[in-house]
Amino acid sequence: GAGVSQSPSNKVTEKGKDVELRCDPISGHTALYWYRQSLGQGLEFLIYFQGNSAPDKSGLPSDRFSAERTGGSVSTLTIQRTQQEDSAVYLCASSSTRAGETQYFGPGTRLLVL
Amino acid sequence: AQTVTQSQPEMSVQEAETVTLSCTYDTSESDYYLFWYKQPPSRQMILVIRQEAYKQQNATENRFSVNFQKAAKSFSLKISDSQLGDAAMYFCAYRSAFPGANNLFFGTGTRLTVIP
Repeated sequence: GAGVSQSPSNKVTEKGKDVELRCDPISGHTALYWYRQSLGQGLEFLIYFQGNSAPDKSGLPSDRFSAERTGGSVSTLTIQRTQQEDSAVYLCASSSTRAGETQYFGPGTRLLVL
Repeated sequence: AQTVTQSQPEMSVQEAETVTLSCTYDTSESDYYLFWYKQPPSRQMILVIRQEAYKQQNATENRFSVNFQKAAKSFSLKISDSQLGDAAMYFCAYRSAFPGANNLFFGTGTRLTVIP
């Protein structure tokens, strides 16, 4: 596609439920990133995928968070047993493999946990 | 870990005037990349401008330019001839050039209001 797409745009869930957020990167981009933006805050790195390499999970805040990337393209971020503090905008970005290559962001998914 | 500081939570500018947004960062590395992203209410982060630390020349993109002071670890964004469409949150970001360093470090943002 022309840009990074994410779905759903908005998600409201109840505390304790699991949610899945989807990211479709720019065609040809091998690097994919997930970030979290809490209200009034900057972006916080969560996880990074590069091709078939093992992902960098160093930013995941707890073991309730996981992500996978199938076929080197689409990625799904899963949050299990959601908590109210998980409420945030979850942004996905992709880039090519060149060092320092610019990350292009999707529109994000706004998650609200009641 | 690298830190990025934006000390101006909010700024305002008259339409057609010039405004400068401040950003400082803390790093022990010599090679890195710096970015300014714009986030309008639509939430989409849009790249405004980027700077490679090894380049002494300040980056420019049309009405947007930066003042990169490597020794002072300062990276300010100047917006000339401000337009209503420039109103947004602006985030400064840092990325290491070290192999394997993958993610961006962001400041907390500056909300820019453009007054007609």
